[in-house]
Amino acid sequence: GAVVSQHPSWVICKSGTSVKIECRSLDFQATTMFWYRQFPKQSLMLMATSNEGSKATYEQGVEKDKFLINHASLTLSTLTVTSAHPEDSSFYICSAPQAAGSGGTDTQYFGPGTRLTVL
Amino acid sequence: AQSVTQLDSQVPVFEEAPVELRCNYSSSVSVYLFWYVQYPNQGLQLLLKYLSGSTLVKGINGFEAEFNKSQTSFHLRKPSVHISDTAEYFCAVSFLTSYGKLTFGQGTILTVHP
Repeated sequence: GAVVSQHPSWVICKSGTSVKIECRSLDFQATTMFWYRQFPKQSLMLMATSNEGSKATYEQGVEKDKFLINHASLTLSTLTVTSAHPEDSSFYICSAPQAAGSGGTDTQYFGPGTRLTVL
Repeated sequence: AQSVTQLDSQVPVFEEAPVELRCNYSSSVSVYLFWYVQYPNQGLQLLLKYLSGSTLVKGINGFEAEFNKSQTSFHLRKPSVHISDTAEYFCAVSFLTSYGKLTFGQGTILTVHP
């Protein structure tokens, strides 16, 4: 099946620094990608929808200036956590739907996730 | 608003025993339903999905789920589990055909003991 990669798989940074996380669709193009956040022992929560060539759409309660999303190409979306603080420590997961083509239905593929720890 | 509730946070079971992981949802509109599995340090993998048609859906690895509209449930079942089924399982719903905006349940950790 299709593969979605994320880089880095884990990152540790100091409070106040910015961290960039990449999400790539390796063998298909994705005009839309999604970013989720997962706290320990909690479920995934949708943060934003990344749209190729246009602004991202953020879910209610998610600070767009805090979590910058750029979808520069059909295979790459980036999430930048700006001025990270310990409360931003979490597991960030991206996903991308692969269009099935005529008569079919899309399939959502998830990346392996990026664990961010802010000290 | 949509919501998903997985009633059991942890389910321990012995190998070769049957298992049922429960999922209930709340929505004012029709939904699409999914079960995903997450192995340690890996991404989510789709087990099965219900879009329409037969309410009994069969997925990978011998799992199946039944959509019950009247009870707003989508429970996941397997008649005989293996050690390799140990993982975290997530139920999710979406009302968009692209399945992008998924609302996830809290997850159920299935632990299969020898």
